[in-house]
Amino acid sequence: KAGVTQTPRYLIKTRGQQVTLSCSPISGHRSVSWYQQTPGQGLQFLFEYFSETQRNKGNFPGRFSGRQFSNSRSEMNVSTLELGDSALYLCASSLIGNTEAFFGQGTRLTVV
Amino acid sequence: QKEVEQNSGPLSVPEGAIASLNCTYSDRVSQSFFWYRQYSGKSPELIMSIYSNGDKEDGRFTAQLNKASQYVSLLIRDSQPSDSATYLCAVLLNAGGTSYGKLTFGQGTILTVHP
Repeated sequence: KAGVTQTPRYLIKTRGQQVTLSCSPISGHRSVSWYQQTPGQGLQFLFEYFSETQRNKGNFPGRFSGRQFSNSRSEMNVSTLELGDSALYLCASSLIGNTEAFFGQGTRLTVV
Repeated sequence: QKEVEQNSGPLSVPEGAIASLNCTYSDRVSQSFFWYRQYSGKSPELIMSIYSNGDKEDGRFTAQLNKASQYVSLLIRDSQPSDSATYLCAVLLNAGGTSYGKLTFGQGTILTVHP
């Protein structure tokens, strides 16, 4: 059974640009959550999608957005990138959002 | 008070010893608790989940949950150098019933197992 797949693995962007990250969940999983991990703040929740609807949102500015497609694949977008957005972005999938969640390999975003 | 707190590390144990990792959480009605292991430069890997009071064993790992005291722990028996990693406690906090998909993590405990 394939795990959670995130693409791309690495990205380098310039301040002010925007970026889109993709996540394909484990087959059959309908809940996809996104997290930001930085050395200073640890793992922080961005948002969660289930059946194409955002059910939960963390405390991040509106520059961070996401969506989910009918096949449960999800994307997150960050607009007007800032240096502080440099982080490891992780996606996790679970069956319906209240049980075990499995992480993808992450996308390492560097903003220069 | 942080919503999920782990015992401060780093923790260093000799090979073959028991490593004990602790975590407390703020929301009394939380129902789902997880331990993840994260190697340097890698993503978190789920190693244990626990939902009911008591102990849950899986190989060398034992998770313990005490909802009355709002703490969850992870014991690693016969620790190996390959267990050296950061261990993350994660809780689906249930505040307001809006916890779906929202894991709240502790800051992590760095474990080093030395030969």
